[in-house]
Amino acid sequence: AQSVAQPEDQVNVAEGNPLTVKCTYSVSGNPYLFWYVQYPNRGLQFLLKYITGDNLVKGSYGFEAEFNKSQTSFHLKKPSALVSDSALYFCAVRSQDNYGQNFVFGPGTRLSVLP
Amino acid sequence: NAGVTQTPKFQVLKTGQSMTLQCAQDMNHEYMSWYRQDPGMGLRLIHYSVGAGITDQGEVPNGYNVSRSTTEDFPLRLLSAAPSQTSVYFCASSFGQGRTEAFFGQGTRLTVV
Repeated sequence: AQSVAQPEDQVNVAEGNPLTVKCTYSVSGNPYLFWYVQYPNRGLQFLLKYITGDNLVKGSYGFEAEFNKSQTSFHLKKPSALVSDSALYFCAVRSQDNYGQNFVFGPGTRLSVLP
Repeated sequence: NAGVTQTPKFQVLKTGQSMTLQCAQDMNHEYMSWYRQDPGMGLRLIHYSVGAGITDQGEVPNGYNVSRSTTEDFPLRLLSAAPSQTSVYFCASSFGQGRTEAFFGQGTRLTVV
């Protein structure tokens, strides 16, 4: 069975500092990994994904994520946080097995960037 | 290009009432799905469809029904609403399976009293 863990309910960071939002996953076979962001009263917006190849993936709004197969992790990072990055972040996985039909989402991490 | 459109945005139901949450996408996506979002639980899959005429159950299907008569539309029906179905519901679509990302609607906030 697939699962995603986001060990931190809340991450606080000062504006201008680097941020990391953690994600670990469990899946049979190789994973497709995704990060989404949710602003208040909005749907989820796609940030970036790992399919194959380079372990460092770059996405929207200056975000990047590093895939680590041995640690089964896919942490989201940004070198310099903005107040406008404050939102709820979801990590998700799809398995490459069984045509990878369904996403499994983590519980979400609320990021607060303090001015 | 509207993307994924959900209606209504807000709804209050009485226990036992039925209703349909509408979802439409204009991107010619094959794969559509419904999720519910509850605090601290992330998004849980209710039902999904890999194409017109094909639907299947997700993680939490009880109390919900779906159909997919066209590529564009994927309505979610609550058969007899219960307070446990109070949640935020999201519809999503993607071009295919596996490596493609999903596009989400803005959600329907449902309260069952």
